[in-house]
Amino acid sequence: GPKVLQIPSHQIIDMGQMVTLNCDPVSNHLYFYWYKQILGQQMEFLVNFYNGKVMEKSKLFKDQFSVERPDGSYFTLKIQPTALEDSAVYFCASSFLGGVEQYFGPGTRLTVL
Amino acid sequence: GQQVKQSSPSLTVQEGGILILNCDYENDMFDYFAWYKKYPDNSPTLLISVRSNVDKREDGRFTVFLNKSGKHFSLHITASQPEDTAVYLCAAGASSSFSKLVFGQGTSLSVVP
Repeated sequence: GPKVLQIPSHQIIDMGQMVTLNCDPVSNHLYFYWYKQILGQQMEFLVNFYNGKVMEKSKLFKDQFSVERPDGSYFTLKIQPTALEDSAVYFCASSFLGGVEQYFGPGTRLTVL
Repeated sequence: GQQVKQSSPSLTVQEGGILILNCDYENDMFDYFAWYKKYPDNSPTLLISVRSNVDKREDGRFTVFLNKSGKHFSLHITASQPEDTAVYLCAAGASSSFSKLVFGQGTSLSVVP
């Protein structure tokens, strides 16, 4: 089936540093999403993105978070500065339409020390 | 609050048997319901989904049943196989909210010989 790639698979950084998580969505998809999963909890929606704009974000999407997809390249999630509570697995997803068949990447495991 | 809930954190079934995974939801606005399968350190993979205008959808060994009045949907897997061993995530979404998905906590399924 359609593949979503995420780079890197793991990232360890010190609190206060900046991190960028990269997502390579399915090539003809137009809607992009980030979800966060803290260990032992369910995946939770962070943000979705369409036509260069954030359409909706949850309360987990703090001011330190930003997303972009410059010129059809990677869809990125940037956290600046990071905090200890940002440690989680971050999943990227994409879908062709605003319809809800979302395809997920394998996640980036972020550890903030 | 926990909008989507999977009642069984884990389940074991014998190979060849039928198994049922259950999911309850709270939000009346949900009109899309999906089941994802996830192996460790891998992407959640869309198994089967259904819109609220039908109450059943079948795809091979997998059938999803939707009970809107009971705010409940389930996944039935027939002729279970060892390779069905995985975590199963239910998810629901509302087309009015740009298609963010709300996930359950997952059911860890083991199919034993």
